[in-house]
Amino acid sequence: EAQVTQNPRYLITVTGKKLTVTCSQNMNHEYMSWYRQDPGLGLRQIYYSMNVEVTDKGDVPEGYKVSRKEKRNFPLILESPSPNQTSLYFCASSPGDSRNQPQHFGDGTRLSIL
Amino acid sequence: AQSVSQHNHHVILSEAASLELGCNYSYGGTVNLFWYVQYPGQHLQLLLKYFSGDPLVKGIKGFEAEFIKSKFSFNLRKPSVQWSDTAEYFCAVNAPFGNEKLTFGTGTRLTIIP
Repeated sequence: EAQVTQNPRYLITVTGKKLTVTCSQNMNHEYMSWYRQDPGLGLRQIYYSMNVEVTDKGDVPEGYKVSRKEKRNFPLILESPSPNQTSLYFCASSPGDSRNQPQHFGDGTRLSIL
Repeated sequence: AQSVSQHNHHVILSEAASLELGCNYSYGGTVNLFWYVQYPGQHLQLLLKYFSGDPLVKGIKGFEAEFIKSKFSFNLRKPSVQWSDTAEYFCAVNAPFGNEKLTFGTGTRLTIIP
């Protein structure tokens, strides 16, 4: 089954404790992206990757890092989380290469930073 | 920069009523247009998409949308809603080349009363 898998689904942690949210897709997609969803703001892009070792900032990259060492994985790293990063996070993927295909979304990760 | 406006923040309808959710976008070039639905506690699912061709597009679950280029609009419609349509609906756009970043509207919460 084609899917985008995120882990963990829920996490409560404290300010400053490094954390990683994993994202994996099994569709051999080139394009992957992270979004955060906040009430009244919709979804905003954090980082994206157009292929292995190719990543770039989205609209709200501050406080986040990403890596793309393998095609299937695109982890989101919070080196020193802060309360304003409490949010619902979604990973998405698509074939990329301007093939005009919609993005598939993961189930989301709800992060609470205390 | 792209932007998307969804003017209806919360819509409440009775079952069997007709639905129209507004979506307007601003962007100077060619765009792809999407409607996503998010059921409570779930990830985003694609309802329908417009890339080119017939401006009236049909999606899943009886939804349709019409792209009116002169009005920069992509309104979502359904002739007769069901209780199971209760969800949040997001309109989104992206450019067909390069970063496939989806720019989302702030969402419309739809509540259907049985």
